[in-house]
Amino acid sequence: GQNIDQPTEMTATEGAIVQINCTYQTSGFNGLFWYQQHAGEAPTFLSYNVLDGLEEKGRFSSFLSRSKGYSYLLLKELQMKDSASYLCAVGPGGSQGNLIFGKGTKLSVKP
Amino acid sequence: DGGITQSPKYLFRKEGQNVTLSCEQNLNHDAMYWYRQDPGQGLRLIYYSQIVNDFQKGDIAEGYSVSREKKESFPLTVTSAQKNPTAFYLCASSIPGTSGTDTQYFGPGTRLTVL
Repeated sequence: GQNIDQPTEMTATEGAIVQINCTYQTSGFNGLFWYQQHAGEAPTFLSYNVLDGLEEKGRFSSFLSRSKGYSYLLLKELQMKDSASYLCAVGPGGSQGNLIFGKGTKLSVKP
Repeated sequence: DGGITQSPKYLFRKEGQNVTLSCEQNLNHDAMYWYRQDPGQGLRLIYYSQIVNDFQKGDIAEGYSVSREKKESFPLTVTSAQKNPTAFYLCASSIPGTSGTDTQYFGPGTRLTVL
């Protein structure tokens, strides 16, 4: 079966660092995506990992370990506007190009 | 500006009526997708299309229909057979890479409420 797990909710303080974990079990693997979604809006693309290791993009970094079926999204210097849901999605491979999404982690940043 | 548009943003319909949600993109992407999002659930795939005049069922296609007559357009019809149609509907598009997985970009969504 296909399964992606991430925590339902997290709370952090403005200026701090937060790590959002994602574990996956899929029939195939062709890359892992992180999206940010503010309430009532569309998901926006944050990062893509297909090889093991850390990808850094400004305040956001994403890590992947394919052998462990594990990824995390690291957010540094948190700002109030970072309050949103963060969606982990896996491309299971094959020709369809589909993504399998986790249920999302709702992050609340407090002053 | 290039992007994906969905209209309307909010849609209300009476139970038993069919309704069509529009999705248009000018990104020149080949692939288009429809997802449904419910509170506490991840995005679930309804239908997808890799090329014009071809589309495939996703995980929850029952009660929905689509067409892909033009590369730019992928409308979704929610039929009266869909038992619980109230949800947030998201359209996405991508350039299918040679690996078969490419970044999907989303439209702003349509929130459908069936009364």
